[in-house]
Amino acid sequence: EPEVTQTPSHQVTQMGQEVILRCVPISNHLYFYWYRQILGQKVEFLVSFYNNEISEKSEIFDDQFSVERPDGSNFTLKIRSTKLEDSAMYFCASAYLTGVDSPLHFGNGTRLTVT
Amino acid sequence: AQSVTQLGSHVSVSEGALVLLRCNYSSSVPPYLFWYVQYPNQGLQLLLKYTSAATLVKGINGFEAEFKKSETSFHLTKPSAHMSDAAEYFCAVSGQGDYKLSFGAGTTVTVRA
Repeated sequence: EPEVTQTPSHQVTQMGQEVILRCVPISNHLYFYWYRQILGQKVEFLVSFYNNEISEKSEIFDDQFSVERPDGSNFTLKIRSTKLEDSAMYFCASAYLTGVDSPLHFGNGTRLTVT
Repeated sequence: AQSVTQLGSHVSVSEGALVLLRCNYSSSVPPYLFWYVQYPNQGLQLLLKYTSAATLVKGINGFEAEFKKSETSFHLTKPSAHMSDAAEYFCAVSGQGDYKLSFGAGTTVTVRA
C-alpha cells in the first residue's frame, strides 16, 4: 500500500536555526497537510495545501512557518528561526480529495528537537 | 468551532476484556468524527469514522463506535482486548467535512496479560 514518507525521523537543531522537514505524499494525492504534536499535548492542525497554495492555516502557523511543494513530489515545512517551543512531532498527511470520504494518510512523523 | 474531549488519559485492560474509550464532542454543525490509533514510532492510522450515515460504525481490528447525538458522544469499544491493541488512541472531529481536524488529548491503552 502506498505510504506517506517523512524524513528525517528525528532532527535536532539549535534555537534560531532554520529547519526544513520533508514529506513525500502519496503520488496521486492532491491535498496536503501538516500537523504537529508537542509532547504530552494534542495533535494540532497547522496548514492545508492544494494547487500550490495554502488552503487554510491555524493560528500556530505564523510567519516563521512556510510550506512548499518544490518539485511535484516533495512537500516541505520550513521553520525559519526555530524556538524551543517548536520542539514537537510533526506529521505530514495527504489525501486525494479534500472531503472526509477520501482517506487521509499520515506519515510516521519527524521528531524535531530544538536545543 | 469544534472540539473533542477524551475522558481518561490512560486505560489499562486485561487481555480478553472489553475496551471502552470515551470521547465527547462539541460542534455547532453536524460533526464528522474519527478515531485514530498510533503505535510507537508510527503515524496515525484511521480506525473508523462517522460521516452521518449509520450511527454504529465498524472499523478495523474489531473496533466499533456509536454516535449518540443526545449524549454528544462517540465512544470507541472493542469486545475483547488483544495485546496488539496497546497503543495511543485519538478521537478527532471535523465540522466542515474536510481534514482540518481537531484532536483530543489521546488515551493510552495498555493490555495486561
